[in-house]
Amino acid sequence: GEDVEQSLFLSVREGDSSVINCTYTDSSSTYLYWYKQEPGAGLQLLTYIFSNMDMKQDQRLTVLLNKKDKHLSLRIADTQTGDSAIYFCAEKVYSGYALNFGKGTSLLVTP
Amino acid sequence: DSGVTQTPKHLITATGQRVTLRCSPRSGDLSVYWYQQSLDQGLQFLIQYYNGEERAKGNILERFSAQQFPDLHSELNLSSLELGDSALYFCASSPGEGPYEQYFGPGTRLTVT
Repeated sequence: GEDVEQSLFLSVREGDSSVINCTYTDSSSTYLYWYKQEPGAGLQLLTYIFSNMDMKQDQRLTVLLNKKDKHLSLRIADTQTGDSAIYFCAEKVYSGYALNFGKGTSLLVTP
Repeated sequence: DSGVTQTPKHLITATGQRVTLRCSPRSGDLSVYWYQQSLDQGLQFLIQYYNGEERAKGNILERFSAQQFPDLHSELNLSSLELGDSALYFCASSPGEGPYEQYFGPGTRLTVT
């Protein structure tokens, strides 16, 4: 599929907020997802948002959706060292609900 | 632990060979997805099965094939292997055909030498 764009790397200090940005491709995407991948592990769903929503909050996570610009962001409040991982943005574009992933943003949290 | 199992964890083989990767979905899940993760291409969708039937195809090469068996486990067959096929292959499962969470297995790391 076409490319879902993410910045490749983000470094923040422990306790700060992290904001990971994503630009997706399909304006008709109904579901947009954030997945987390820790070293040596598979992907874990963090949160998702329906396209009829502008914002979704789930504990320390806030997802913002700008449909006009096809822009999705994930904010992690009070970032901890355990949040260091690769974060993938994904959209559903295929029939059957398979996902089109970005290349991932590597988040490094320093003490 | 997602409940999705994949075997083997690591596989090293030579160019031109054929390998089979196996996936067991979470109990009760009917959909299985295969993804390939490589440094240059990122995470790419290959193919999806639902209850034994092929449902969607992504960037899957003709040298690759898959199937889902009556017990719902799935196998991904990779043949005439090339160096560029070296990657992590993930299987994911979900309960059905809706926008459900996909649960990912730990992956099989394939190295082609």
